[in-house]
Amino acid sequence: QTVVTQEPSLTVSPGGTVTLTCASSTGAVTSGYYPNWFQQKPGQAPRALIYSTSNKHSWTPARFSGSLLGGKAALTLSGVQPEDEAEYYCLLYYGGAQSWVFGGGTKLTVL
Amino acid sequence: EVQLVESGGGLVQPGGSLRLSCAASGFTFSSYWMSWVRQAPGKGLEWVANLKQDGSEKYYVDSVKGRFTISRDNAKNSLYLQMNSLRAEDTAVYYCARDSRSSSPHRKIDSWGQGTLVTVSS
Repeated sequence: QTVVTQEPSLTVSPGGTVTLTCASSTGAVTSGYYPNWFQQKPGQAPRALIYSTSNKHSWTPARFSGSLLGGKAALTLSGVQPEDEAEYYCLLYYGGAQSWVFGGGTKLTVL
Repeated sequence: EVQLVESGGGLVQPGGSLRLSCAASGFTFSSYWMSWVRQAPGKGLEWVANLKQDGSEKYYVDSVKGRFTISRDNAKNSLYLQMNSLRAEDTAVYYCARDSRSSSPHRKIDSWGQGTLVTVSS
């Protein structure tokens, strides 16, 4: 069973920078996993932020960026705003099984 | 504007069945893979199933294989999830989500409905 692992929680100060990561139990995450990132606030549906590692949607704020870092997918928030406090999920595509797997989520606290 | 509106959720007894629907608008429905994603109360997101544009390919998470069936009607711009042999652990908000275009080099899920709650309990 494939497991995708994220940090359970992170805390960042307003205006600071934080990096969330996403690891696969199958090995290093590459662009072939098409990493996607989502933000979810309480009581709301998830909102897409990043696709195919580093591509932003038209609505994604410039302070969000995606990359590959040390064998993991990464989401970096620069100049964090209070409204960025939320749960963040990564999503990886496993082509062999033609399926998606979500990470467990990272609860980001802005304090 | 992309809109996805789920319906069909509710309370069902263990072993029962339910059919979820998702009405899509604001985009060319027949050009996209579509997915169902669920979220148990207080838990994370779980991808459940997806379906190719023409319905020829469908894939499921192991925990629902043999019990759930994803389908679509491109003439009605609608996606469905038939859920049989429901278990308590299937209790979740079920989201309809727009998946990738086969013509694109990218794979992404980019739009979500507001979800419909399925509760499996006696």
